[in-house]
Amino acid sequence: QQQVKQSPQSLIVQKGGISIINCAYENTAFDYFPWYQQFPGKGPALLIAIRPDVSEKKEGRFTISFNKSAKQFSLHIMDSQPGDSATYFCAARGYGGSQGNLIFGKGTKLSVKP
Amino acid sequence: DGGITQSPKYLFRKEGQNVTLSCEQNLNHDAMYWYRQDPGQGLRLIYYSQIVNDFQKGDIAEGYSVSREKKESFPLTVTSAQKNPTAFYLCASSLQYQPQHFGDGTRLSIL
Repeated sequence: QQQVKQSPQSLIVQKGGISIINCAYENTAFDYFPWYQQFPGKGPALLIAIRPDVSEKKEGRFTISFNKSAKQFSLHIMDSQPGDSATYFCAARGYGGSQGNLIFGKGTKLSVKP
Repeated sequence: DGGITQSPKYLFRKEGQNVTLSCEQNLNHDAMYWYRQDPGQGLRLIYYSQIVNDFQKGDIAEGYSVSREKKESFPLTVTSAQKNPTAFYLCASSLQYQPQHFGDGTRLSIL
């Protein structure tokens, strides 16, 4: 089965620090890599996404780095804030039909200490 | 406001009982999805529908059923055949090949 492997499972960062979450995938037919942020008791919300023809995408304090040859992508949260404390999921989507569904990593619980 | 509404927020199931989780969207999205979330397991796809009156099994469809009679509605029934139904259930919708938008979930527990 296609997989997306996410690490670490949990992460504690001091306020103002950089949070880094990593994901690796196996299927080279993926064409879209989103990151979702989820707060307790809420549904995931799209945070930022990247396509494989781009090596980096930045939106505010959030940056995705993408390494196509290594089949890895990561989320960097600069100047981490206590309000960033949430669970983050990476995902990957293939081409068309059932392959167009998202496959999620198992999530990273981020805690940002004041 | 446009969005996805899941109800109820909390639901309890007795042994041998079927329960139905509601998902309604007013985003005019064609595709709708049901996921199950367990602690440390990420989101696993139960069923999805790309068009009215059509739906497909996901990775963990056993013990679940769905219908898609209207574009805006995609209810999920957790049947008595699902022996471990306790989980957080998430509904999502999207336009084709566009990002999925999620509701705020239903937490199902066994009495």
